[in-house]
Amino acid sequence: DTGVSQDPRHKITKRGQNVTFRCDPISEHNRLYWYRQTLGQGPEFLTYFQNEAQLEKSRLLSDRFSAERPKGSFSTLEIQRTEQGDSAMYLCASSPGPPSYEQYFGPGTRLTVT
Amino acid sequence: AQKVTQAQTEISVVEKEDVTLDCVYETRDTTYYLFWYKQPPSGELVFLIRRNSFDEQNEISGRYSWNFQKSTSSFNFTITASQVVDSAVYFCALSERKPTGANSKLTFGKGITLSVRP
Repeated sequence: DTGVSQDPRHKITKRGQNVTFRCDPISEHNRLYWYRQTLGQGPEFLTYFQNEAQLEKSRLLSDRFSAERPKGSFSTLEIQRTEQGDSAMYLCASSPGPPSYEQYFGPGTRLTVT
Repeated sequence: AQKVTQAQTEISVVEKEDVTLDCVYETRDTTYYLFWYKQPPSGELVFLIRRNSFDEQNEISGRYSWNFQKSTSSFNFTITASQVVDSAVYFCALSERKPTGANSKLTFGKGITLSVRP
């Protein structure tokens, strides 16, 4: 399978706990994006990496959120001190960059904070 | 600021009917990209099409066709002879065209839930 993969697919955690999600992009895609999708809404941009550099963060990404992409391959998204409002689907996408602007999405990680 | 509006929230049709999903967008950029994605019940977003702002030629792919009209800032999607497997949420999205190295994040609409009944 050469698509974008995400792990875990589902995560249930108690409020106040820390969680970490992993995304493995399509190999050789140097651009990686994280989005968040809540019920009945379209995905919303969280952050963007080009290779290992995090080049943009949305204002949606509070200081409890941190993302990394060491070595420009896989990426992790960590949420510290989770809140019930963090419950959502977290989507990862990768893109080869110009001239191709398509983003290919993984299956997502569904987070439920109880 | 970019904005994508999908005014229809839910559409229900009977199999073999044609259905059109509307998308209206706002952007200050003269060069941009428009996309349609499908999100089936399994949840994974599937890329369907990309359209460049400088190419207004309509496109057909099997039962799918797209009508891009820059004058009305619309990028509508038509499914001909719908099938039950077309049941999904469909998202329209917009991305600015940027130089190499710059973020080309997608701005999505809220999606349209299409139900195709047998």
